[in-house]
Amino acid sequence: SQTIHQWPATLVQPVGSPLSLECTVEGTSNPNLYWYRQAAGRGLQLLFYSVGIGQISSEVPQNLSASRPQDRQFILSSKKLLLSDSGFYLCAWTMGQPGNTIYFGEGSWLTVV
Amino acid sequence: GQNIDQPTEMTATEGAIVQINCTYQTSGFNGLFWYQQHAGEAPTFLSYNVLDGLEEKGRFSSFLSRSKGYSYLLLKELQMKDSASYLCAVRSGGGNKLTFGTGTQLKVEL
Repeated sequence: SQTIHQWPATLVQPVGSPLSLECTVEGTSNPNLYWYRQAAGRGLQLLFYSVGIGQISSEVPQNLSASRPQDRQFILSSKKLLLSDSGFYLCAWTMGQPGNTIYFGEGSWLTVV
Repeated sequence: GQNIDQPTEMTATEGAIVQINCTYQTSGFNGLFWYQQHAGEAPTFLSYNVLDGLEEKGRFSSFLSRSKGYSYLLLKELQMKDSASYLCAVRSGGGNKLTFGTGTQLKVEL
């Protein structure tokens, strides 16, 4: 069966520090991958999605970036964090066909101080 | 662009039935999803509709009308553990992107 993992689960980072969140999917190949952010009391906002290795689409302008170095690996990064980057970050995957459910990882809580 | 609307919060009684509505405006529609999210946790999949009509899964049912841009999630025999946020999400466009509403916070009371 397919599983998705992301880490770290929680982190507290100072303003201006770098960020790296990692997500991996197991038990499938060539998935569509997504990064979402949920600010406190807000809805889920799509940040990036990828349909294949090295293919990244950005949904909103921001100081974050994403990379997909391997088929089942998706990384969210920042060179310098802002206070507004605090939130709950969720990696998700689907096989990309209509009807295929999007499943979420456990999420990563980021607090920028 | 896309626009998804759902009520911010609802309150219902244990054992009762509650209906959570969702309206949407989008282009390239190819499915509507409902997720449940408990505080501090990731969303979990509840249901999927792509054709008009009702999909039933145990205590949960979901309805879709594509012509009206409307869906609802029906929860029967409410339990205290059903207290959570319920997210309506629409899939459309390339990359099968999923756009979420802001969620409906359901509180189940005794």
